Amino acid sequence: EPEVTQTPSHQVTQMGQEVILRCVPISNHLYFYWYRQILGQKVEFLVSFYNNEISEKSEIFDDQFSVERPDGSNFTLKIRSTKLEDSAMYFCASSPGTGDNSPLHFGNGTRLTVT
Amino acid sequence: GESVGLHLPTLSVQEGDNSIINCAYSNSASDYFIWYKQESGKGPQFIIDIRSNMDKRQGQRVTVLLNKTVKHLSLQIAATQPGDSAVYFCAENIMGGSYIPTFGRGTSLIVHP
Repeated sequence: EPEVTQTPSHQVTQMGQEVILRCVPISNHLYFYWYRQILGQKVEFLVSFYNNEISEKSEIFDDQFSVERPDGSNFTLKIRSTKLEDSAMYFCASSPGTGDNSPLHFGNGTRLTVT
Repeated sequence: GESVGLHLPTLSVQEGDNSIINCAYSNSASDYFIWYKQESGKGPQFIIDIRSNMDKRQGQRVTVLLNKTVKHLSLQIAATQPGDSAVYFCAENIMGGSYIPTFGRGTSLIVHP
């Protein structure tokens, strides 16, 4: 069964550094998402992406964050200058469409640790 | 406040028992609901979904019930197995709007052999 894959599985970075989290969505999916989950808390929406542009973003997704689909397969999340509170699991997801019968398929996440 | 929440943060059951995980939602415009299962170290995994024009949907060993009157959703797992141990999230979406599933806090299901 096709899967969403994310790399790396764990990223450690120093405060103020830039990080890029990478995702390969399922190949025939059209909608892409980033969520994050701070340890012990709920999964929070960051941003959705369709047709090479951001379609929705949350308050969390401020100017420090950006997303890109640099080629036909990758979908990246960049954090420009990491803060301690950015430490979390970051999940990429994709779906073939929107609405019913199009649930999100999640990757296994990248654990970001900011020191 | 949260638009989706859970009544019980932890549910412990014996193997073979039936489990019921509950979820309350507050947005009456939500018309599509999904249950996800998250095992340790993994991303959320789709279990079952239901549209608001239904009040029950069954899958393999799982049943989702939707009560729109009281804005309540439940996930029933029959003959719970140790492999069912995970955190279960409900998520809601407003049909016709941006498809941004909003997750609740999650319920941890612990199945004792």
